[in-house]
Formats: sequence, structure tokens, C-alpha cells
Amino acid sequence: DAGVIQSPRHEVTEMGQEVTLRCKPISGHNSLFWYRQTMMRGLELLIYFNNNVPIDDSGMPEDRFSAKMPNASFSTLKIQPSEPRDSAVYFCATAVSSGTDTQYFGPGTRLTVL
Amino acid sequence: KQEVTQIPAALSVPEGENLVLNCSFTDSAIYNLQWFRQDPGKGLTSLLLIQSSQREQTSGRLNASLDKSSGRSTLYIAASQPGDSATYLCAVRPHPANQAGTALIFGKGTTLSVSS
Repeated sequence: DAGVIQSPRHEVTEMGQEVTLRCKPISGHNSLFWYRQTMMRGLELLIYFNNNVPIDDSGMPEDRFSAKMPNASFSTLKIQPSEPRDSAVYFCATAVSSGTDTQYFGPGTRLTVL
Repeated sequence: KQEVTQIPAALSVPEGENLVLNCSFTDSAIYNLQWFRQDPGKGLTSLLLIQSSQREQTSGRLNASLDKSSGRSTLYIAASQPGDSATYLCAVRPHPANQAGTALIFGKGTTLSVSS
């Protein structure tokens, strides 16, 4: 298996633009997590899905952020409009199920908002 | 609210030294604790996972211990090598009875540099 796939790996955009980050989970994994990593705050959970259903989105910073998982093999995290303070590395991680403990992380998307 | 702290934030050692990384958490009601490694510009790789009922886990030169009652975990690296240079992150999974879901709560990590 190729592991968790994220795209793009790097994104540079201007303030106000829409940004869409993509994640393809490991086949057979039913839980998917979006994390954000910054120097100031470390790694923080934004939202997670179980069987394509959002379970906990309490970490989503504000309404500018939205996440979808239309099927078991694809998820998106969208920021609209983007702001410079959104600059961070965004990680997608997946696990076999909500009862399974090991999460497998993708390589991350480094987002820079100018 | 669960908080995870890792000390020190950075550590430099010469090759061959044995070293200990520390992790503390404020709420002892955890389901498990996990140690990850992160290389610059890369994602996280799981190293060891300790269930709340366990005291330690070992993998090669790595040994992780857990003292749930005191809210502490250590990662012991034996005979360190330059290839061990990375950031090591500790993460706890809250007990499902206390917090719904499987979200991990991370420390900010210890950046290790092993010189040859």
C-alpha cells in the first residue's frame, strides 16, 4: 500500500483565496483525521471522520474551514477565504477503525498564505 | 482538559549515548500513549504504543515506559546514532468514557540531534 496520500505537498496562495487540501486514506481504513501543525501550537486535531461521517469537528477553528469525506477513499479540507494565520502544515491520518489505536500519517501539506 | 508536555524541547548528544525523553500528561484517565518520530518536512511515524494497562513497550533500541498514576512516560533510546536525529512526539488518547472519539492529544515534541 502507498500509505496515506496527501496533495498538494506544498501550497502557496494569497490571502482571500480558496484552498483545498486532499487526502486519500489507506485502503480499508475507516477513520480519518485532519491535524494542523504550527510552531506555536504544535499538532492539533481539526476534525475526524468515522465511516465517512464527521464525528468531532470541535477543533475546526472557524467557519472558514470545512471538511468533507464523500466516500471511503477521499477527503478534502477547504479553507475559504484563506488568511496568513492559516499558514501551517496540515496532516491527514487514518486508522483501521475508531477502536484501533495506531494512526498512520500522510506526509502533510505545507500551506503558506501570503 | 488534557495537556501533554515534553521536556526538554531540544537535546543534543554525541553518538553512542543512551538518552531519555520525557512526556507528562495532566489527566491520568488515558486509553493509551503513543510515541512518534517526525523527520524534517515529513509526516509522523509511530514508534511505540503503550496501552493504559501496560507498563512498557520495547522495539529494538527503543523502550517506552508508562506510569499512568503519575502522568508520565519516558522514551529510552539506547546507543544513539546520527540517524536517530529527529523530533519525537508523545501523544495520548483520552479514555473514551471521558472524551468521545479517538483523537490524539500531542505534546510539542523533543528535537533530538545526535552528532557523529
